[in-house]
Amino acid sequence: KAGVTQTPRYLIKTRGQQVTLSCSPISGHRSVSWYQQTPGQGLQFLFEYFSETQRNKGNFPGRFSGRQFSNSRSEMNVSTLELGDSALYLCASSWGTSHRTDTQYFGPGTRLTVL
Amino acid sequence: SQQGEEDPQALSIQEGENATMNCSYKTSINNLQWYRQNSGRGLVHLILIRSNEREKHSGRLRVTLDTSKKSSSLLITASRAADTASYFCATDAQDGGATNKLIFGTGTLLAVQP
Repeated sequence: KAGVTQTPRYLIKTRGQQVTLSCSPISGHRSVSWYQQTPGQGLQFLFEYFSETQRNKGNFPGRFSGRQFSNSRSEMNVSTLELGDSALYLCASSWGTSHRTDTQYFGPGTRLTVL
Repeated sequence: SQQGEEDPQALSIQEGENATMNCSYKTSINNLQWYRQNSGRGLVHLILIRSNEREKHSGRLRVTLDTSKKSSSLLITASRAADTASYFCATDAQDGGATNKLIFGTGTLLAVQP
């Protein structure tokens, strides 16, 4: 089975621009979560989608948004980029049927640099 | 804020030695997971231990969980240079609903010297 894929792998943007990142989950997985990883804040939860519905959202400003399509693929969008948005953005997928036992499978991440 | 604090922040050992990392968390959990991350790359799931389990093994990995102390430890036996990575504990969030949100610890950077 193919793993979680994320595109693009690397991205350079300038302040004020917007960016869209894409995540394709493992086939059959219905839940997709997004995380931001920075040296200062570590790994922080952004949001989780299940069957095209946002199930949970982390403590991030409204500039961060996402969506999930009927095939479980997900995108996240960051508008009006700030320097502090530079980070590794990780996507993870799981079956999504039980939070007690689900293992999340992570993609390689998208490295976003904001200049 | 981080749910988990890991100790030590960094650990350097020789190949063949054992490595122990500790994780403490703040709130009640359903399960706790350990992940490995090689430099700047995605996370790899290592092991999941449920709140009603006390110890779990997977190959050279041994995880313990003490819910009364809100702590867990990861032991890697007979370490190899390829074990060099950052190790994170992650707990599921208690928000009353079904969720796959993970809250990660601060991580332990393990360096195994050949």
